Order: sequence, then structure tokens, then C-alpha cells
Amino acid sequence: SQTIHQWPATLVQPVGSPLSLECTVEGTSNPNLYWYRQAAGRGLQLLFYSVGIGQISSEVPQNLSASRPQDRQFILSSKKLLLSDSGFYLCAWHVGTASYNEQFFGPGTRLTVL
Amino acid sequence: GQQVMQIPQYQHVQEGEDFTTYCNSSTTLSNIQWYKQRPGGHPVFLIQLVKSGEVKKQKRLTFQFGEAKKNSSLHITATQTTDVGTYFCAGWGDSNYQLIWGAGTKLIIKP
Repeated sequence: SQTIHQWPATLVQPVGSPLSLECTVEGTSNPNLYWYRQAAGRGLQLLFYSVGIGQISSEVPQNLSASRPQDRQFILSSKKLLLSDSGFYLCAWHVGTASYNEQFFGPGTRLTVL
Repeated sequence: GQQVMQIPQYQHVQEGEDFTTYCNSSTTLSNIQWYKQRPGGHPVFLIQLVKSGEVKKQKRLTFQFGEAKKNSSLHITATQTTDVGTYFCAGWGDSNYQLIWGAGTKLIIKP
């Protein structure tokens, strides 16, 4: 079966510290992968998406970066966190055919920057 | 750029009352999807609509896609406490890789 993992589940980091969030998927190959951020009580903001190894598209200028070192691994990073980076970070995997599309989300990482 | 507007932002209902959320796109969508996010959880796919004028039902939930494929609605009949959460619409537009997301409608059941 298809599974998506994210860790850690929660994270509290001081301003200026680095960040690394990891997402891995199982049960598929060459998936389209996405990083979203959700501020408290708000909608989903697309940060990055990747259609393959080493291929990253950025949607919003920011101090975050993403990498895809392996087919089923997607990493979100920052060298120096800002207060505004707090939020709920969701990794998603697009499942799609000509007639069916769905984004399947991981459990998310709740990041608080203090 | 393409946008999907979703209203209302919140809806407070008594248990047993109906709930409706609406989405409007600035451009024609190839399809529209609906997701539910429970409090503290992640979005979970509910359904996809593809055809102009399509109507689909899942028990007490009715989903509609407009004739022009630019608007959609989700209607819940006789809400229950298990319906609490935020409902998002999302549509595929010009890009093959990005969903355009509505801001969500939060369903709150009055105590």
C-alpha cells in the first residue's frame, strides 16, 4: 500500500536555528511531491514541488529550500529560521491518472519558532 | 494568476442543520477536488469532480461542479459532530503540477 511519512511530528526551534524536515513515501515510484505550509486557522500555501530527483520548483520566495536526493525522499530546510516560519508543514504526494487525481498528505510537522 | 475563492470562512450551525461551502475560480478548471481537515489533522481527499454540471453524493454530502467548470459547492445535510473540520476545494488549472487551493471553510457545531 501507499504510505507517506513525515517527521518529526512537532518541533520547537529558536529563531536563527537551522531546520530539516523529512518526508518519505512508500509504495510508488517517481511521485510528484509537494511541501505546503499552513498557518494557524488558514489555508494551504504551496512552498515547493518536485517532479523527480533533483528537480525542485519554488512557489514563494522565502528563506526555505527543498531538496530531493532520492526518488521517494523530499527534504525541507532552512539555514536560519524566522518567527514567521512557524506553522504546520505538510508533505503531499500526487496520485494521478488521466481521469483521477488526488493529493495524499502526510501527518504533518507542527513547527513553532520562538 | 489563477485563484480559487472559497466562502464562507466559517460557518456555525446547530447539530442537525445543513452546511454549504462555495468555491469560485477565476479561470476554467479541468477538475475540482474537495478535502476535509479535522482539527489537528491533515487534509484528506473526499472526492473529485470532472464533468461540467456534475453532481456526486456521499451519504449526507452533495458535491456539485458548475456548468462552466468555474464554481463548485459542497452541501452537508443534517450535520453531525463528526462533520466538524475545515473543508477545502482545490482545482487543477493551467499547470499540470499544481493544485489551486481555496482558503477553506471551517464548520463549527454550536454546543
